[in-house]
Order: sequence, then structure tokens, then C-alpha cells
Amino acid sequence: DAGVIQSPRHEVTEMGQEVTLRCKPISGHNSLFWYRQTMMRGLELLIYFNNNVPIDDSGMPEDRFSAKMPNASFSTLKIQPSEPRDSAVYFCASSPRSGVSIQPQHFGDGTRLSIL
Amino acid sequence: EDKVVQSPLSLVVHEGDTVTLNCSYEVTNFRSLLWYKQEKKAPTFLFMLTSSGIEKKSGRLSSILDKKELFSILNITATQTGDSAVYLCAVGSETSGSRLTFGEGTQLTVNP
Repeated sequence: DAGVIQSPRHEVTEMGQEVTLRCKPISGHNSLFWYRQTMMRGLELLIYFNNNVPIDDSGMPEDRFSAKMPNASFSTLKIQPSEPRDSAVYFCASSPRSGVSIQPQHFGDGTRLSIL
Repeated sequence: EDKVVQSPLSLVVHEGDTVTLNCSYEVTNFRSLLWYKQEKKAPTFLFMLTSSGIEKKSGRLSSILDKKELFSILNITATQTGDSAVYLCAVGSETSGSRLTFGEGTQLTVNP
């Protein structure tokens, strides 16, 4: 079965440009998560969706970041305008949603973003 | 705010050694604790623990949870170079929905 698919794998762009990261969750998974990982701060949750609806976006750093999930098989994370401090690996993860229990999240391979 | 602390932050051992990685947490209304292994790319799921005292085991890896003392350990016996990775601990709570809080991770290096 296909896992979580992220694109692009690498992105290098100049400060001020718009960046769009894409994610396709595992089919049948109802929850989708966007994380950012850096050496300094580790793995941080930015936002997550249940059934395409944003539930918790308290980790989104500022208004330059936005995320959408127009349908169950696609999500985007957009940074506009980008800044050098946004350089990080961005992971998307998905999990089945099951009542009150937590389900393991399955991660994509990440997008390595470098803002020059 | 939920908090997860892992120790040690890094560990270097020789093949064949046994290692114990630690994870302590402060969580309101704890629900579950998860262990992940991260090599060069994505974290991959190892175990999920919800009950105290029950050991989860997969080959040379095992983990146990102590809900009273608020910690978990991950044991790896007869380590191999392929075990070299960052091991991440994460917790979920009843008040945080599907959200997991991750620790900083333990960087394990197994030398031949």
C-alpha cells in the first residue's frame, strides 16, 4: 500500500517567494498532520485536520503560514512570503481516526525546505 | 502544557550491546505513549502503550510504560548498526484530541 506521499522532496528558493508543500495521506485515513522539524526545536506540530476540517492550528508560527485540505486525499501547506528561518524539514502524517483512542501516525518522507 | 523529556540525548554503543532509552512525561489526562524510529527520513512507528506494566515486544526491541511514575523505557538488545537512528517518544492526552507531543529524541549510534 502507498504510504503518505509528499512533494516536492526538496525545495530551494529565495526569501520572499511563495512556497507550497503538498501531501497525499494514506487512503482511508481521516486525520492529517503537518509538522516542522529543526535541530533546535525538534518535531513540532503545526496544524492538524480531522475529516478535512482544521482542528488545531495553534502551532502555525504566524500569518505567513496557511494550510488547506480541500478533500480527503490532498492537503497543502503554504508559506508566503518565505523567510530563511522557515528552513526546515516539513513532514505530513496521517492516521485513522477512531473514537476516543489515539491512533499511530504514519509519516511521509518530508520536504526539505531551504530559504536563501 | 504537555511535556516530554527523553534521555540520554545521544548514545554511542558497540554492536551487541543492550541499550535502554528513557522517556518521561507530564501530561494532563494521559491517553497513550508512542515510540518512533527516525533514520534519514520519516519517523516510523514502533510501539504504542496505553496500560502500565504491559511490555510490548518486537524482535530485539521492547518497551514498557509506568503510568504511576510517568515514564517509559525502550530496550534494544544485541544492537546492530542498523539500529542507529533517532528514537522519538510522543504522548497523547484526552484533552488534546489527536495531537501528539514529541520529545527531542535520543540519537543512538551503534558502531561495528
